[in-house]
Amino acid sequence: GESVGLHLPTLSVQEGDNSIINCAYSNSASDYFIWYKQESGKGPQFIIDIRSNMDKRQGQRVTVLLNKTVKHLSLQIAATQPGDSAVYFCAETAGNQFYFGTGTSLTVIP
Amino acid sequence: KAGVTQTPRYLIKTRGQQVTLSCSPISGHRSVSWYQQTPGQGLQFLFEYFSETQRNKGNFPGRFSGRQFSNSRSEMNVSTLELGDSALYLCASSVGQSNEKLFFGSGTQLSVL
Repeated sequence: GESVGLHLPTLSVQEGDNSIINCAYSNSASDYFIWYKQESGKGPQFIIDIRSNMDKRQGQRVTVLLNKTVKHLSLQIAATQPGDSAVYFCAETAGNQFYFGTGTSLTVIP
Repeated sequence: KAGVTQTPRYLIKTRGQQVTLSCSPISGHRSVSWYQQTPGQGLQFLFEYFSETQRNKGNFPGRFSGRQFSNSRSEMNVSTLELGDSALYLCASSVGQSNEKLFFGSGTQLSVL
């Protein structure tokens, strides 16, 4: 089966600092990747995605980096805010079925 | 545009019972996927339906089943409930093409006593 793992289960950052959440994937055939944010009591919410023909994509305060050589994905959040506190998941797919990591819990310290 | 709607929001059942969960996808979306989320296992894929046909299936026992209706609404059923079935069940919809983002509902929290 697929294996999508996160390097750290928890991450605490000071408000205003940048956050970096990492993810390793194992299927070299995966060609589409998504980062999701899940707040308590809610379903996962789309943050940003990237296709395998790119190595970087930027959104509003977020950047996703893809390193296909080492099968590594990262999510960077600039100027982290208290509202960013949540669990973050990476997901990969090579078709219609997604595989999710177990998540990293981000806590923003005011 | 309304999001993905899941009902009920919470369910409490006892071992041996069966349960049916419902999911209404975003209008125009033809694919519905179901996931089981537990604290230790993250999101585990159950199955995906597209145009009333099961297109993909995860590694869950036959007690877990689903279906999709012509209006793309989907239901999943779990029979002979076990304590380990306690989880958040998430439904996600998409248009149905490959490599496109999923939109999730808020889930149904199932507790099996």
